[in-house]
Amino acid sequence: GQQLNQSPQSMFIQEGEDVSMNCTSSSIFNTWLWYKQDPGEGPVLLIALYKAGELTSNGRLTAQFGITRKDSFLNISASIPSDVGIYFCAGLNYGGSQGNLIFGKGTKLSVKP
Amino acid sequence: NAGVTQTPKFRVLKTGQSMTLLCAQDMNHEYMYWYRQDPGMGLRLIHYSVGEGTTAKGEVPDGYNVSRLKKQNFLLGLESAAPSQTSVYFCASSYSSRTAGTGELFFGEGSRLTVL
Repeated sequence: GQQLNQSPQSMFIQEGEDVSMNCTSSSIFNTWLWYKQDPGEGPVLLIALYKAGELTSNGRLTAQFGITRKDSFLNISASIPSDVGIYFCAGLNYGGSQGNLIFGKGTKLSVKP
Repeated sequence: NAGVTQTPKFRVLKTGQSMTLLCAQDMNHEYMYWYRQDPGMGLRLIHYSVGEGTTAKGEVPDGYNVSRLKKQNFLLGLESAAPSQTSVYFCASSYSSRTAGTGELFFGEGSRLTVL
């Protein structure tokens, strides 16, 4: 089946540093999404990308939909302690049901003040 | 606006016991889902529903059953719990789309289940 390879698995960074994580797949997706999960909470959508090559920002977050439609990356600039959590990428194909949303295994971000 | 509410939040079961997790959403969403989250495994889809009275299997459906008798509720049942079902379970809901899924799922806060 379809799989998403998300990297890195975990990151330990200093407050103020920039963060970059990515997701790759051997399959093509029509939609890429990035979710964040705070400790003890459910995931929350950060950014949705619907078009190959699309670059979208949400505050300090920037995400891009790869031209090949097989990858996406998320950047966080000037990290702060509240950025701590697990970041998930997810890919979705049209034509199927919503059950075709595939999640990566997550990137756990720790920020040292 | 409560969003997606899961009950119970925590539960400890003995092997072989049964239980039901309840998910309720007040956003009038068509689609609802049950995921399990295990360390290093991400979110894996158990079952989902595209409307009242309909259910479908996800990636890891074995050992679970679901029902969607009312649009706002989606129940996840474990008939005979096993230690391998120890996990954090998340319910989610979303709008439907006739032409394309948007992918924006609204998640509950999770239910932590331990099977001894």
